[in-house]
Amino acid sequence: AQSVTQPDIHITVSEGASLELRCNYSYGATPYLFWYVQSPGQGLQLLLKYFSGDTLVQGIKGFEAEFKRSQSSFNLRKPSVHWSDAAEYFCAVGGNYGGSQGNLIFGKGTKLSVKP
Amino acid sequence: DGGITQSPKYLFRKEGQNVTLSCEQNLNHDAMYWYRQDPGQGLRLIYYSQIVNDFQKGDIAEGYSVSREKKESFPLTVTSAQKNPTAFYLCASSTPSPSGANVLTFGAGSRLTVL
Repeated sequence: AQSVTQPDIHITVSEGASLELRCNYSYGATPYLFWYVQSPGQGLQLLLKYFSGDTLVQGIKGFEAEFKRSQSSFNLRKPSVHWSDAAEYFCAVGGNYGGSQGNLIFGKGTKLSVKP
Repeated sequence: DGGITQSPKYLFRKEGQNVTLSCEQNLNHDAMYWYRQDPGQGLRLIYYSQIVNDFQKGDIAEGYSVSREKKESFPLTVTSAQKNPTAFYLCASSTPSPSGANVLTFGAGSRLTVL
């Protein structure tokens, strides 16, 4: 079955520290992978996406993610966290199947808190 | 600026009432989606539409209905048959990228509370 797992429900980091949010997926074909961010009471904003090619992808706000096929992972990283990064982060996987099989599957999210 | 507009932002409903959430997009996207978000549950797909006058059930369609009479609009009705409608509802749209992947753009959401 297709699924996305974000093992960490809540993470707290100090401002200026590095960050890594984990994402593991199960998908029957070549996956398209996404990270979205959501501020409280708001919609989701796309941070970055991976379709093919270079397995290290750069996104907005200084975020990057690395696709590791052997580990079925797509972890999100940031070298130095800012207080404004406090939000909830969602990993999603999709494909180029037609119809419903192409729809995105979302993880349950990781809430990031930032300590001053 | 192009985007997705959801209204109302907050909505209160009495038990037994139907309510309709509006979603309008000016991105010229073909596909539109409705998701429900509950704390700790991520996003769950309610309905989606890939073309005007056609829509399909998602994973949790029971108690919901939609229409797609115009490309720009995809309203969601939460009926009295939905047993636990209090949630945050997100509308999204997409158009296939050259790779075939659907990249979703989201609205700001509507929070429905049943009193």
